[in-house]
Amino acid sequence: KQEVTQIPAALSVPEGENLVLNCSFTDSAIYNLQWFRQDPGKGLTSLLLIQSSQREQTSGRLNASLDKSSGRSTLYIAASQPGDSATYLCAVPSGNTPLVFGKGTRLSVIA
Amino acid sequence: NAGVTQTPKFQVLKTGQSMTLQCAQDMNHNSMYWYRQDPGMGLRLIYYSASEGTTDKGEVPNGYNVSRLNKREFSLRLESAAPSQTSVYFCASSDLSLDRGILETQYFGPGTRLLVL
Repeated sequence: KQEVTQIPAALSVPEGENLVLNCSFTDSAIYNLQWFRQDPGKGLTSLLLIQSSQREQTSGRLNASLDKSSGRSTLYIAASQPGDSATYLCAVPSGNTPLVFGKGTRLSVIA
Repeated sequence: NAGVTQTPKFQVLKTGQSMTLQCAQDMNHNSMYWYRQDPGMGLRLIYYSASEGTTDKGEVPNGYNVSRLNKREFSLRLESAAPSQTSVYFCASSDLSLDRGILETQYFGPGTRLLVL
């Protein structure tokens, strides 16, 4: 059974700092991985989707990498802003289950 | 485009009552999903519908039923609500095709907050 772990569970950084969020998964036989953002009381918004044939994907200040062999993905946020404060979740497919989610990293960017 | 819409936004039920959560998407997606989100447990898949006319169990299906009414709509029913079903419920849709093994981006609705007393 696929298990997804995100470390740290919470992170607080000053504005402008570059930061890395980590995601690990137990079954490396995945065909892609997704990163989501969730604001308090809201639904999830997809940030990046990395196919298994890709090593990384970029969108603006966000860069996600994928290392299938080690079962790891990282989400890099450059020059963090208070508006980046949210919970970030990663998710991977597992067998016939479309997505298995990690519990997320709650990020606070302090102005 | 409204994306994925869910009704109601909030609901309070008494133990044993029944209700149906409604979900609709206007993106012409083939696949739709129901999740629940609980503190400390993360998001867990309840049921999904890979395509119109099909439904499959997810990780936590007990106590729920679903209906894929048409390509746009996917409803979740609680026949006899229990306090353990207090949660936030999210509907999502995508162009996932399990047959092709291709996962496209999932789009989420705003959620339904359910309290069962």
